[in-house]
Amino acid sequence: AQSVTQLDSQVPVFEEAPVELRCNYSSSVSVYLFWYVQYPNQGLQLLLKYLSGSTLVKGINGFEAEFNKSQTSFHLRKPSVHISDTAEYFCAVKTSYDKVIFGPGTSLSVIP
Amino acid sequence: DAEITQSPRHKITETGRQVTLACHQTWNHNNMFWYRQDLGHGLRLIHYSYGVHDTNKGEVSDGYSVSRSNTEDLPLTLESAASSQTSVYFCASSEARPSSYNEQFFGPGTRLTVL
Repeated sequence: AQSVTQLDSQVPVFEEAPVELRCNYSSSVSVYLFWYVQYPNQGLQLLLKYLSGSTLVKGINGFEAEFNKSQTSFHLRKPSVHISDTAEYFCAVKTSYDKVIFGPGTSLSVIP
Repeated sequence: DAEITQSPRHKITETGRQVTLACHQTWNHNNMFWYRQDLGHGLRLIHYSYGVHDTNKGEVSDGYSVSRSNTEDLPLTLESAASSQTSVYFCASSEARPSSYNEQFFGPGTRLTVL
């Protein structure tokens, strides 16, 4: 069965510092990969997605992620975080028609 | 602007009561989904629908039911609420095929507490 692992449940980082949120998946077939962001008391918003082509994907708010097929990873990065980036981040994998499997989430806290 | 709404936003109920959570979307999407969000589990799929009169079970469907009588609405019913169903519930919708992937748009969530 497919699964998504986010090893870091909480990531504190100082403002303007870089951050990497890790995501690994397991699947025996081709996958589509996504990062969603959830701000406090809100629903999820799509941050970026990898469907095919270039393995480096750029998303909204300065985030980017790199798909690494050999390591089955899709880590999310931002070179300089802002207070407004404080949120829950979910990695997700699509394995069949519109059945998206979500990881447990990583809580990013940006410290002023 | 098109949107997806959920009501109520907060609900407190007692064990054994029937509860219905509403989800309404104006995107005209064929696909609709219900998830529950629990700490450490991310989002887990409860039920989903690919169109009017179509419903399917997700990975955590026990104790829940849905019905799809029109494109816009997919209400989620807890037949007899249990404390284990205390959670935050999210509704989502997406376009149907032929696109290889259609982004899911999420509602703001309903926080349900079962006492």
